[in-house]
Amino acid sequence: GENVEQHPSTLSVQEGDSAVIKCTYSDSASNYFPWYKQELGKRPQLIIDIRSNVGEKKDQRIAVTLNKTAKHFSLHITETQPEDSAVYFCAASNDDYKLSFGAGTTVTVRA
Amino acid sequence: GAGVSQSPSNKVTEKGKDVELRCDPISGHTALYWYRQSLGQGLEFLIYFQGNSAPDKSGLPSDRFSAERTGGSVSTLTIQRTQQEDSAVYLCASSRSNGAQGEQYFGPGTRLTVT
Repeated sequence: GENVEQHPSTLSVQEGDSAVIKCTYSDSASNYFPWYKQELGKRPQLIIDIRSNVGEKKDQRIAVTLNKTAKHFSLHITETQPEDSAVYFCAASNDDYKLSFGAGTTVTVRA
Repeated sequence: GAGVSQSPSNKVTEKGKDVELRCDPISGHTALYWYRQSLGQGLEFLIYFQGNSAPDKSGLPSDRFSAERTGGSVSTLTIQRTQQEDSAVYLCASSRSNGAQGEQYFGPGTRLTVT
């Protein structure tokens, strides 16, 4: 089955700086890669996703890149703000129903 | 509209007891998922429903775990003879489409503590 690894496990950045989280996946058939954000005590929420026919996608301060050859994808957050502090999960899926999640990255934005 | 709801929000039970966790998906969502999130860990897939059918139960950790869905809506996850390692947050999610490539909307979770 699919194995998704996520790094780093924790990330502390100064407000205004950028944050980058990287994930690798094992199943070359995977073609859908969502990112979920989970604030403390709250439910995970989708923040951005990318499909395998696209190499990069951007939504305001958030961008995701995908390298199918290397089987890795990354989340980039620019101009970080305190409300970006949360746990971020990457996930991968092929055409079936199952999302395989990474272990999560705890991002702390220092004021 | 209303999001995914789960009950109870917290459950403390003694080792060996059975527990039932409930999930109410968003109305009209045909797909429903159960995940387990242990402290500091990612989301572990447990089971998926398309309508009332569960095509894949391989994520269930043991035969003490079972789930059902009735009327294509409410789902219950049952854990029999609970063990301390069952302590975790159990999250339910639903999506409109058939398959993982539709956005999954998560419920608030049930925090299960087995003493």
